[in-house]
Amino acid sequence: AQSVAQPEDQVNVAEGNPLTVKCTYSVSGNPYLFWYVQYPNRGLQFLLKYITGDNLVKGSYGFEAEFNKSQTSFHLKKPSALVSDSALYFCAVRRTGGFKTIFGAGTRLFVKA
Amino acid sequence: NAGVTQTPKFQVLKTGQSMTLQCAQDMNHNSMYWYRQDPGMGLRLIYYSASEGTTDKGEVPNGYNVSRLNKREFSLRLESAAPSQTSVYFCASSEASGGGNQPQHFGDGTRLSIL
Repeated sequence: AQSVAQPEDQVNVAEGNPLTVKCTYSVSGNPYLFWYVQYPNRGLQFLLKYITGDNLVKGSYGFEAEFNKSQTSFHLKKPSALVSDSALYFCAVRRTGGFKTIFGAGTRLFVKA
Repeated sequence: NAGVTQTPKFQVLKTGQSMTLQCAQDMNHNSMYWYRQDPGMGLRLIYYSASEGTTDKGEVPNGYNVSRLNKREFSLRLESAAPSQTSVYFCASSEASGGGNQPQHFGDGTRLSIL
């Protein structure tokens, strides 16, 4: 069975500081891993995805994610947070060859000016 | 380029009423999905359509039916609405029909309240 855990309901950071949003997963076989962002009253928007072989993945808006196979983690990072990064972030996993994508419960990021 | 369009954006129903949520995509994507989003639970898959002419159940299909009308359109129907179906419903599409690593593209949702 596939599962995704986002252990923090909310992450608070000051503008200009680095941010990390955590994600761990469980899936049989090799996973496809994704990060999405959701702004109020909008649908999810794709940020980045894990591609086999690249442990550090770069995505939109300066975000990146670090894949760690031994820890089954895919943490989202950004070197310098912006107030406009405040949103709800979802980690998602899909088994290779599968159709169903499993989403984490989401982590709300709050960046204070 | 509109992407994924959902109608209506808001709806209030009484228990027992029926309604159909509409979804259309203009990206020529093969796969389409219906999710519901509830606080603290992320997105849960209701039904999906891997390609035109096929539909399959997701995690929470009970109380719902779907129709893949053509490659562009994928509708979700509530036959007899219940308060537990109060939620925000999202339609999504992706290019792959074989479960590839392409991301999903989401509409802006339908906010549905069942009284």
